[in-house]
Amino acid sequence: DAKTTQPTSMDCAEGRAANLPCNHSTISGNEYVYWYRQIHSQGPQYIIHGLKNNETNEMASLIITEDRKSSTLILPHATLRDTAVYYCIVRVNRGSTLGRLYFGRGTQLTVWP
Amino acid sequence: EAGVAQSPRYKIIEKRQSVAFWCNPISGHATLYWYQQILGQGPKLLIQFQNNGVVDDSQLPKDRFSAERLKGVDSTLKIQPAKLEDSAVYLCASSLGLRETGELFFGEGSRLTVL
Repeated sequence: DAKTTQPTSMDCAEGRAANLPCNHSTISGNEYVYWYRQIHSQGPQYIIHGLKNNETNEMASLIITEDRKSSTLILPHATLRDTAVYYCIVRVNRGSTLGRLYFGRGTQLTVWP
Repeated sequence: EAGVAQSPRYKIIEKRQSVAFWCNPISGHATLYWYQQILGQGPKLLIQFQNNGVVDDSQLPKDRFSAERLKGVDSTLKIQPAKLEDSAVYLCASSLGLRETGELFFGEGSRLTVL
């Protein structure tokens, strides 16, 4: 059911920017792109979401392409605590499956010292 | 504010036994979700409540799984009888409402091992 495609794993040096790509070529016009992450043995944690425009918060930036078929999550200065599985998710916003989050397998990001 | 509370954190049972998991969402959150996460996979939605009504249970194996949210606050997910393939982490999440585009808040999960 996942509507997104992500690389299985990535790594990044501490202090550098981590850029995590996601493809969602079948996204519908009113479906949002969400990013969550899951640190080992914890529940998923919300990072950011967007519809069309780029978004930024204290954790990350989200860049969505103009055609909305892909996006990139940017962690500007990765730390060791950012090591986690990152999920790119399309959220259904209408109909009988309103609110459902489709999780894929995510990207395992490893930040190394 | 207090987060989503789940219990127990860990449970080991034998196949064909029953088990129940409890979830207390964040106060004021109308929408509650139960997800199943098998090792190495992303979470999969089992059931979704809006207040005390079921919104979506299309992926819930109803022959063995049941869930309720009496009074629209806390919720219980039950498995009876359990199978080996039910070994997973069961995650509860809550949000303000279905039409809100904000975040879902997840609990730490209940890890089930079926022997």
